[in-house]
Amino acid sequence: EPEVTQTPSHQVTQMGQEVILRCVPISNHLYFYWYRQILGQKVEFLVSFYNNEISEKSEIFDDQFSVERPDGSNFTLKIRSTKLEDSAMYFCATRGQPNTEAFFGQGTRLTVV
Amino acid sequence: KNEVEQSPQNLTAQEGEFITINCSYSVGISALHWLQQHPGGGIVSLFMLSSGKKKHGRLIATINIQEKHSSLHITASHPRDSAVYICAVSPGGKLIFGQGTELSVKP
Repeated sequence: EPEVTQTPSHQVTQMGQEVILRCVPISNHLYFYWYRQILGQKVEFLVSFYNNEISEKSEIFDDQFSVERPDGSNFTLKIRSTKLEDSAMYFCATRGQPNTEAFFGQGTRLTVV
Repeated sequence: KNEVEQSPQNLTAQEGEFITINCSYSVGISALHWLQQHPGGGIVSLFMLSSGKKKHGRLIATINIQEKHSSLHITASHPRDSAVYICAVSPGGKLIFGQGTELSVKP
């Protein structure tokens, strides 16, 4: 069965450091999403990405965040200067079309200390 | 106010019981998703539906578009069904998540 792969599975970083979270989408999927889940809270939408550009972003997705698909394979989320409140599980999700089943990666647990 | 509300938030059942988890939403949607989140954190899609009813094994999902309500049923529950079940709606593209229902099935 096709799967979405995220790396790393767990990252610990110092406050103020930059982190890059990576996602390898299912090969024929065109719509990519990042979500986050702070411990004990619901999953929240961050950003959607299609055709090499952001199609929608939430209020959470401020100037500290960026996304790109640098090599046509990986889909990355960069946090420029991490804050304690960025500690969360980050999920990548991909879809073949906007109204089809969403496939999620296993998540990256980011801990900012 | 949350756009997606689930009930109950927590549910404990005995093995073999019939389980129902409810989801109400307040926005217009193109589809509703039921997802399962395991203790390790991974999220798995169970159903995507825009009308009627779907069945997969012991799981059944229904949706009433007019009432903006969906239910997830588990028949003959088993301890391995223990997980968090999440309802999410798609107005188009992104998903908007409910807070999840934590299910524990005791042997």
